[in-house]
Amino acid sequence: GEDVEQSLFLSVREGDSSVINCTYTDSSSTYLYWYKQEPGAGLQLLTYIFSNMDMKQDQRLTVLLNKKDKHLSLRIADTQTGDSAIYFCAESMDGQNFVFGPGTRLSVLP
Amino acid sequence: GAGVSQSPSNKVTEKGKDVELRCDPISGHTALYWYRQSLGQGLEFLIYFQGNSAPDKSGLPSDRFSAERTGGSVSTLTIQRTQQEDSAVYLCASSWGGGRGRLKEQFFGPGTRLTVL
Repeated sequence: GEDVEQSLFLSVREGDSSVINCTYTDSSSTYLYWYKQEPGAGLQLLTYIFSNMDMKQDQRLTVLLNKKDKHLSLRIADTQTGDSAIYFCAESMDGQNFVFGPGTRLSVLP
Repeated sequence: GAGVSQSPSNKVTEKGKDVELRCDPISGHTALYWYRQSLGQGLEFLIYFQGNSAPDKSGLPSDRFSAERTGGSVSTLTIQRTQQEDSAVYLCASSWGGGRGRLKEQFFGPGTRLTVL
């Protein structure tokens, strides 16, 4: 079946850029998502990208998609302590069924 | 406006007891999902409701798990004869319906943390 993988932990210094990586197996994925989960809260959609796009930028967030390698990344510029959270990568072929990765816990050090 | 709410926020139960977890989706959302989040694991899909269609139960891990959605709104996830491995955070999400192939953002509730002793 489909699988989504992420590294589990990432630590960066405040002000640096963070890059969170994700790989997926389903080549027919149409939508790829990044969700953020703050402590004690549910997941919140951060951004998404269609599979026919290579890049999407939204303020401090940059999403890069390498469809050939099935690799998705999320770059957060000028990382702040408020960015500390768990970031989930997810993919969907039909916008109805979703497969989530295990989440990357981002720790931002002062 | 009101988001997705879940109750209780925390539930501690003894092995073998039944539990019910509740989800109130955003008004007007026709799609509702249940996921399970275990420590260090991704979200495990459990069940999906869409309008009046038969639910997709393909993710339910055993016949001890069941869910219903009354009146196309509130949903209840029931776990019978709970086991310690059922301990996890149970997340509910809702979204606008619509056809396949359309982007649908899921709005998540804060989850219910279930601990089975």
